[in-house]
Amino acid sequence: SQQGEEDPQALSIQEGENATMNCSYKTSINNLQWYRQNSGRGLVHLILIRSNEREKHSGRLRVTLDTSKKSSSLLITASRAADTASYFCATVPSGAGSYQLTFGKGTKLSVIP
Amino acid sequence: EAQVTQNPRYLITVTGKKLTVTCSQNMNHEYMSWYRQDPGLGLRQIYYSMNVEVTDKGDVPEGYKVSRKEKRNFPLILESPSPNQTSLYFCASSPRGGTYEQYFGPGTRLTVT
Repeated sequence: SQQGEEDPQALSIQEGENATMNCSYKTSINNLQWYRQNSGRGLVHLILIRSNEREKHSGRLRVTLDTSKKSSSLLITASRAADTASYFCATVPSGAGSYQLTFGKGTKLSVIP
Repeated sequence: EAQVTQNPRYLITVTGKKLTVTCSQNMNHEYMSWYRQDPGLGLRQIYYSMNVEVTDKGDVPEGYKVSRKEKRNFPLILESPSPNQTSLYFCASSPRGGTYEQYFGPGTRLTVT
């Protein structure tokens, strides 16, 4: 079942601008993960945020998690052409289901030089 | 180098001809899984394995088989492929289930005619 849903589906920005992508989900989670995929290639892990965390940073990436709203956001600051990719959130349910990840359909980000 | 490898990377086959896509990881991970990625549908989990000889169905297991006889290998078997199994397939591994980041293979693009 599809749980994480990203918004927007596509985003086009100029180099140097910030990009924000959102992810909504439906049930209680153990953690939420963000991945990047360059066209047709394997996914690369960006950040994992656990249900008891509210914000995490990694370089130019900032992820927030609001469990009361069942939503997360990924902010990429000072974007570069190399950030052009699709971005996916994946949710891991709490409890016995922590072996299953459910991915959203992704946000396609285009950064224009 | 720590990695997940998949073979073949590209495969064109005909309906009904059994095939196997191999997946191997060199990180001593307990958890491995298979996903398929289709346009507009994102990634959907096919099967996963918590450890050797322990496997379970994901969201779309119909038409697929898996086995986990050794920790490093997790092959995906299509006994009688059909055109609706044309897709991009990814194998992933992690130290232990969804509570850790997933390491993805480069993908196998399968076309069934």
